[in-house]
Amino acid sequence: GENVEQHPSTLSVQEGDSAVIKCTYSDSASNYFPWYKQELGKGPQLIIDIRSNVGEKKDQRIAVTLNKTAKHFSLHITETQPEDSAVYFCAASNSGNQFYFGTGTSLTVIP
Amino acid sequence: DGGITQSPKYLFRKEGQNVTLSCEQNLNHDAMYWYRQDPGQGLRLIYYSQIVNDFQKGDIAEGYSVSREKKESFPLTVTSAQKNPTAFYLCASTMTGAFSQPQHFGDGTRLSIL
Repeated sequence: GENVEQHPSTLSVQEGDSAVIKCTYSDSASNYFPWYKQELGKGPQLIIDIRSNVGEKKDQRIAVTLNKTAKHFSLHITETQPEDSAVYFCAASNSGNQFYFGTGTSLTVIP
Repeated sequence: DGGITQSPKYLFRKEGQNVTLSCEQNLNHDAMYWYRQDPGQGLRLIYYSQIVNDFQKGDIAEGYSVSREKKESFPLTVTSAQKNPTAFYLCASTMTGAFSQPQHFGDGTRLSIL
């Protein structure tokens, strides 16, 4: 089955700096890669996603890149703000409606 | 507003007791999922259902049971056979089709043992 690894597990950045979270996957059949943000006591919320026919996608301060050959994808947050502090999860799916999650990254943005 | 509602937000289980967590969605999604979240372990799949009256075990189904009698409802029962039930439980749903679609999550139920 699919195995998704996520790094780092914790990340602290100064406000205004960039944050990068990386994930790798093992199943070459995976073709959909969402990223979720989870705030304390809440469920994960989708923040951006990418499909395997695209190499990069951007939405304001958030971008995701995908390297299918190397089987890795990354989340980039620029100009970080304190409200970006949360746990971020990557996931991979292969059109079978099953999703495989990374173990999460706890991001702290220091004012 | 469309979404997923989980209840209760907090639940306490006594020794030998079965408890049921509720999950309701009004998004008209076909597929529904239950995940268990423990610190540092991400989301682990307990059960999922892609259609009414059908469901499949996930990676950690032992000690849990589900039913899918209605499209909008997917309750999870934590049985007394689950010896370590303390965790945060998340319900999710998604549209099914040729391509995967984003999952929508509820705000979870935190289960603790007394």
